Amino acid sequence: DQQVKQNSPSLSVQEGRISILNCDYTNSMFDYFLWYKKYPAEGPTFLISISSIKDKNEDGRFTVFLNKSAKHLSLHIVPSQPGDSAVYFCAASVIQGAQKLVFGQGTRLTINP
Amino acid sequence: NAGVMQNPRHLVRRRGQEARLRCSPMKGHSHVYWYRQLPEEGLKFMVYLQKENIIDESGMPKERFSAEFPKEGPSILRIQQVVRGDSAAYFCASSKRLAGGIDTQYFGPGTRLTVL
Repeated sequence: DQQVKQNSPSLSVQEGRISILNCDYTNSMFDYFLWYKKYPAEGPTFLISISSIKDKNEDGRFTVFLNKSAKHLSLHIVPSQPGDSAVYFCAASVIQGAQKLVFGQGTRLTINP
Repeated sequence: NAGVMQNPRHLVRRRGQEARLRCSPMKGHSHVYWYRQLPEEGLKFMVYLQKENIIDESGMPKERFSAEFPKEGPSILRIQQVVRGDSAAYFCASSKRLAGGIDTQYFGPGTRLTVL
């Protein structure tokens, strides 16, 4: 039962353009969402998060959008840079309780020069 | 200002041996989570611990796996009698877990376990 889904295994974007990574979830109890970036042989690095009381959160080049009615969130990276090439994981949790993270399968982003 | 530390980074065991994975949380963090990542998959929650307490172990396999976070020292994930299917990357994350607050988990570099 995959509660968090990232349906695109990979994405290729030209340097300087916008990268849009998508994530869908099925559990309506989730109220906190995070994006992590992961390089090979390293642990996930926290990028940005959003709680369900907001529909947008911005941090520099990264913006996360949340559409609760569609149970969908997206991460926008603009402008994309070669160092952004990595695997991006979407994760969701319930604030009250253990706050254990449920991860999607990841999307491999490649930024082409 | 060290982050989450895990050791060893790589561990090779033969079937039937024991594997011990260690995790030291970030300074000031008293909550530890363990996750497992199988090849080509996302991370899966295993267990959540505070000092001397297991809070949620709903993701732990029922047999051979155990975890602890003693009052002093690192958190330990222990796998007894390893099998090939235990080969994976094991990640530890830590957080401050302020009361009633939203929490962010910060991950260590992981231990890559290979079972021969």
